[in-house]
Amino acid sequence: EVQLLESGGGLVQPGGSLRLSCAASGFTFGSYAMNWFRQAPGKGLEWVSAISESGGSTYYADSVKGRFTISRDNSKNTLYLQMSSLRAEDTAVFYCAKSRVTGITSVLSDYWGQGALVTVSS
Amino acid sequence: ETVLTQSPGTLSLSPGERVTLSCRASQSLGRNFLAWYQQKPGQAPRLLIYGASSRATGIPDRFSGSGSGTDFTLTISRLEPEDFAMYYCQQYDISPGTFGQGTKLEIK
Repeated sequence: EVQLLESGGGLVQPGGSLRLSCAASGFTFGSYAMNWFRQAPGKGLEWVSAISESGGSTYYADSVKGRFTISRDNSKNTLYLQMSSLRAEDTAVFYCAKSRVTGITSVLSDYWGQGALVTVSS
Repeated sequence: ETVLTQSPGTLSLSPGERVTLSCRASQSLGRNFLAWYQQKPGQAPRLLIYGASSRATGIPDRFSGSGSGTDFTLTISRLEPEDFAMYYCQQYDISPGTFGQGTKLEIK
């Protein structure tokens, strides 16, 4: 059974930093690209970032480019999202998700974690 | 970026009814890389349909998708109580991938 478990969310002040982790199990982690999505309270879904199977290629939404860094450790089956220069508008539930297919970095995701709430407020 | 517009915003229906949700793209999706997700309150999204018309693993056959180019639909042939939720379309054809604003399906 595929499982994705996010951790590291919490309350942070504007301008601060936070690192999210996503522990994966139930599939060959290193064979799939991974994504981060977010959902502001009461709002829709937004793709945030993607990383290739090896971690050699990364992609970002314009809204987070230069502030967020995605990475992965295939030896630990773990995905990360390092967030810095956080703003109030970054407040959201952040989801990690597994790309549906191997061989390409796609935002089409077939399994999602339960999410981690990040609140940016003073 | 490609804007997806979903309609209607909210639908009020009864169990057993048939429903069709719409998703229109601001530019043509040449490979028809369009997906539908279901999301219930407090839960993660669940992939229902990908490639416009292929059902994801474990999705009941009362869910079907169709369309091409700029116009896509999700049909639920007979609503079950557990189908009342939020539905989002997503295009993964043109980078960056984008979502529609969602359609809320509520019990009448």
